[in-house]
Amino acid sequence: SQKIEQNSEALNIQEGKTATLTCNYTNYSPAYLQWYRQDPGRGPVFLLLIRENEKEKRKERLKVTFDTTLKQSLFHITASQPADSATYLCALIDAGGTSYGKLTFGQGTILTVHP
Amino acid sequence: ETGVTQSPTHLIKTRGQQVTLRCSSQSGHNTVSWYQQALGQGPQFIFQYYREEENGRGNFPPRFSGLQFPNYSSELNVNALELDDSALYLCASSFQIADTQYFGPGTRLTVL
Repeated sequence: SQKIEQNSEALNIQEGKTATLTCNYTNYSPAYLQWYRQDPGRGPVFLLLIRENEKEKRKERLKVTFDTTLKQSLFHITASQPADSATYLCALIDAGGTSYGKLTFGQGTILTVHP
Repeated sequence: ETGVTQSPTHLIKTRGQQVTLRCSSQSGHNTVSWYQQALGQGPQFIFQYYREEENGRGNFPPRFSGLQFPNYSSELNVNALELDDSALYLCASSFQIADTQYFGPGTRLTVL
């Protein structure tokens, strides 16, 4: 069956360190993968999109990698700050799916950055 | 701010009632998707509308229905509410079907 998993429910790090979040998927042929940030009680906020033919994408302190052989995406926040504390969601669009525009989300990783 | 708005912000209903949630998409976006997010879970796809036509549906029963209007705003209707329908309902709009989706703030529905 199809599955998308973020391998940590919660991640605690010290300010200034790099946070690395992992997203793994099975039985998908993703057209692309996205990362969102969600604060409590709010809607997800789009951060980065990476396509199946791209290995890496960067935006300011954020970096995403995408390995279609390993079926994995890594999301990095460098020089982390307490304001980065939130839930981070990965989501993919399945190129082979019947609902092409459907986003399938992982369960999220709660990141807490301690001062 | 994404430009996607949802109303109401919060809603309390009792089991068996019906509810309508509303969403205004970002200017220039013709595609609207609806998601249900239970506490501690990722959002689950309900359905998507593209230019007023349903363009795909997730594993939700027929009592979940929707509409998209000519101005691309949208409604989600849920009939015969059940306790498990309590969740955050999210609307997202995109320029085209498979483009990046931008989410509204959500409607928190509580079913008693």
